[in-house]
Amino acid sequence: EAGVTQFPSHSVIEKGQTVTLRCDPISGHDNLYWYRRVMGKEIKFLLHFVKESKQDESGMPNNRFLAERTGGTYSTLKVQPAELEDSGVYFCASRAGGGIRQYFGPGTRLTVT
Amino acid sequence: AQSVTQPDIHITVSEGASLELRCNYSYGATPYLFWYVQSPGQGLQLLLKYFSGDTLVQGIKGFEAEFKRSQSSFNLRKPSVHWSDAAEYFCAVGAVEYGNKLVFGAGTILRVKS
Repeated sequence: EAGVTQFPSHSVIEKGQTVTLRCDPISGHDNLYWYRRVMGKEIKFLLHFVKESKQDESGMPNNRFLAERTGGTYSTLKVQPAELEDSGVYFCASRAGGGIRQYFGPGTRLTVT
Repeated sequence: AQSVTQPDIHITVSEGASLELRCNYSYGATPYLFWYVQSPGQGLQLLLKYFSGDTLVQGIKGFEAEFKRSQSSFNLRKPSVHWSDAAEYFCAVGAVEYGNKLVFGAGTILRVKS
């Protein structure tokens, strides 16, 4: 069984540009989560999808961040326009319905210069 | 508000020595708890988890953790550390009542000296 995959593994962009991160959850997992770790801080929750619906987006920092989950499969997280403080590692995790364990992807390291 | 505290940012132990990483939480619901490890360049790997039942849980790589409800703690232990255990360790808490989203501690970086 394939794990959670994320693309790209690393992205370097300039301030003001747009970046889109992608997450492919484990097949059949209805629940998908995005988390972020900025330099020196703890890993923080961004949002939670159940299938294609946003269940909880209380952790999204501002309206420069847009998350989608097409057809309840893969998810994208777009940052537009990117700011310096958006630099960090973005993790995606998926969870089977009825389960509790979240399976994490390897993360995308975003560097905004 | 939910919070997880890992009071030690860095810990250095000698290879073969015992290890204990501390984790305390503050949570408004019945929590379940995890320890994750992240090695350089790798993602988050689950070491062990506690949902209910026996408060001493065994994980991978020889790690164990004990849930102490009275102390709101979930400390991670290993009797003999190996050089390959050098990594960053995260304690995390979640609850069904909060949609299973995880609250993480700040992490503890473990260094192993030979």
